[in-house]
Amino acid sequence: AQSVTQLGSHVSVSEGALVLLRCNYSSSVPPYLFWYVQYPNQGLQLLLKYTTGATLVKGINGFEAEFKKSETSFHLTKPSAHMSDAAEYFCAATPHTGGFKTIFGAGTRLFVKA
Amino acid sequence: ETGVTQSPTHLIKTRGQQVTLRCSSQSGHNTVSWYQQALGQGPQFIFQYYREEENGRGNFPPRFSGLQFPNYSSELNVNALELDDSALYLCASSLDRENTGELFFGEGSRLTVL
Repeated sequence: AQSVTQLGSHVSVSEGALVLLRCNYSSSVPPYLFWYVQYPNQGLQLLLKYTTGATLVKGINGFEAEFKKSETSFHLTKPSAHMSDAAEYFCAATPHTGGFKTIFGAGTRLFVKA
Repeated sequence: ETGVTQSPTHLIKTRGQQVTLRCSSQSGHNTVSWYQQALGQGPQFIFQYYREEENGRGNFPPRFSGLQFPNYSSELNVNALELDDSALYLCASSLDRENTGELFFGEGSRLTVL
């Protein structure tokens, strides 16, 4: 069965530092891949998505992610963290066929220190 | 463009009771998915509705049921509530049945079962 694993339930960085949130998927066929952000007491908002084509995907708020098929990974990065980036981040995957079921990882909470 | 709205935002029930949660999908979206997000976890897929028919279901018992109406709004019903049903219930609408694109989430209904 397909699954999404996010390494690290909590990540803490200093303001201005690199943000790296890790995501690996398990699937024989690479799925569509997404990163969502959730702020306290809110729903999820799409940051970026990979469907086909270029493996480096740029999203909102300066985030980007790179799809690496050989590593079954889709890590999220941002060159310089801002205090407003503090939130919960979820990696998600949707299979190409019978794709009604989007699977989410357990989430990584990002803390940004001043 | 009207986003996804959910009601109620918070509610408290006791074990054995029944609850109905409501969702209005984003304008033009014909697919609605429901997710359960327990505290500290990622969203878990409950089921999806496409044009008033169930289009897929996750690992939830039959006491979790749903409806989609001709205007594409939706309800999630949970019977015989258990303590473990306490969670944030998220509704997400999308443009296509296969969820290849973005899921648009509401802010959720937080259910507490005592």
